[in-house]
Amino acid sequence: DTEVTQTPKHLVMGMTNKKSLKCEQHMGHRAMYWYKQKAKKPPELMFVYSYEKLSINESVPSRFSPECPNSSLLNLHLHALQPEDSALYLCASSQGTHNEQFFGPGTRLTVL
Amino acid sequence: GEDVEQSLFLSVREGDSSVINCTYTDSSSTYLYWYKQEPGAGLQLLTYIFSNMDMKQDQRLTVLLNKKDKHLSLRIADTQTGDSAIYFCAVNTGTASKLTFGTGTRLQVTL
Repeated sequence: DTEVTQTPKHLVMGMTNKKSLKCEQHMGHRAMYWYKQKAKKPPELMFVYSYEKLSINESVPSRFSPECPNSSLLNLHLHALQPEDSALYLCASSQGTHNEQFFGPGTRLTVL
Repeated sequence: GEDVEQSLFLSVREGDSSVINCTYTDSSSTYLYWYKQEPGAGLQLLTYIFSNMDMKQDQRLTVLLNKKDKHLSLRIADTQTGDSAIYFCAVNTGTASKLTFGTGTRLQVTL
């Protein structure tokens, strides 16, 4: 299995809602990532988990809360988001010495 | 921090070769990657090159690296309409976990 899966594909939420994005990989990778991508822009790194521990937080606002329950799963909990948080949220994983990152299809998030 | 630049747009005819260019600023980058993104989709890893290599070939893809000029290119031979997408180069920066992506090049393939 060489796939990273993400659910849901699309999510619409209000500014007072709480929702979660989910990411799963079964490649035995030990590092997992969250990226945010705005339209016509490159992905921007948000968080990195290495061996289930948060190793990098790119000064992301606390309304985004990551969680890594086990080595295969990565969640991103969302609360009190703003309309400017609307974007494509991408999950990735990596393991090899070349550190190539494999990406999921993303969740398209719209905040109303 | 690292700066990675690409030209915004490239148009080629089907069957021709495409060359997508990328320049970066951090000479300590060790791995450099090319990703493809189709509309509404995630990023697909196409290939990568280690900084001690000058060239890597993988089927229709050829990657050239000029470390002195900090210039990376991706050549796609016999370009097909299915190659139409945005192509991002990415370089590792600082810790091996962090990638800095280029601005992306939209490749349009015409008949």
